[in-house]
Amino acid sequence: DAMVIQNPRYQVTQFGKPVTLSCSQTLNHNVMYWYQQKSSQAPKLLFHYYDKDFNNEADTPDNFQSRRPNTSFCFLDIRSPGLGDAAMYLCATSRQGGVGKLFFGSGTQLSVL
Amino acid sequence: QKEVEQDPGPLSVPEGAIVSLNCTYSNSAFQYFMWYRQYSRKGPELLMYTYSSGNKEDGRFTAQVDKSSKYISLFIRDSQPSDSATYLCAMSATGANSKLTFGKGITLSVRP
Repeated sequence: DAMVIQNPRYQVTQFGKPVTLSCSQTLNHNVMYWYQQKSSQAPKLLFHYYDKDFNNEADTPDNFQSRRPNTSFCFLDIRSPGLGDAAMYLCATSRQGGVGKLFFGSGTQLSVL
Repeated sequence: QKEVEQDPGPLSVPEGAIVSLNCTYSNSAFQYFMWYRQYSRKGPELLMYTYSSGNKEDGRFTAQVDKSSKYISLFIRDSQPSDSATYLCAMSATGANSKLTFGKGITLSVRP
């Protein structure tokens, strides 16, 4: 089945230690998103790509970076995680023009010690 | 005022009950209205998708949009324990670069 796969499912890191979360997709969608979701809160868009065109949200901290080396893969780098960065990180994809029709991965739950 | 407000919950109902979930919004530019379902420790999945005003039915689920009141609803008939999840409303304006605005979600528990 075509899908969005996130690795790892659970990630534990230390305060200030860089961490990378990965996402891959077999849907061949050209739009990819990274969301941060904290407990009982709405998912918050961090950035998204239209193909290789990177779009950063104005309130996304500089601590968060992203890479999309090809259509299938996208990475979220957190350069110096703080305690407040503990959250579920969700990767999603959509076809360009598929307004609102997002396909999400299962997420990576990040803990910061 | 937040762009999208969703009843906070949680909500607990007996199996077989009719469930009504609601969201209000303030941005009149919103044209696309979605309901996503999120099971525990999983990503959201698209459940219902509506463009502009009106009703849409899919099995036990009915989505309603009232743009004049800026109010959307999701009805679940004959609720089942497998419907226990968090339900997020989401909305978007038109345009290629339009982004989704999500509600906080409401957690529903259906008791057997």
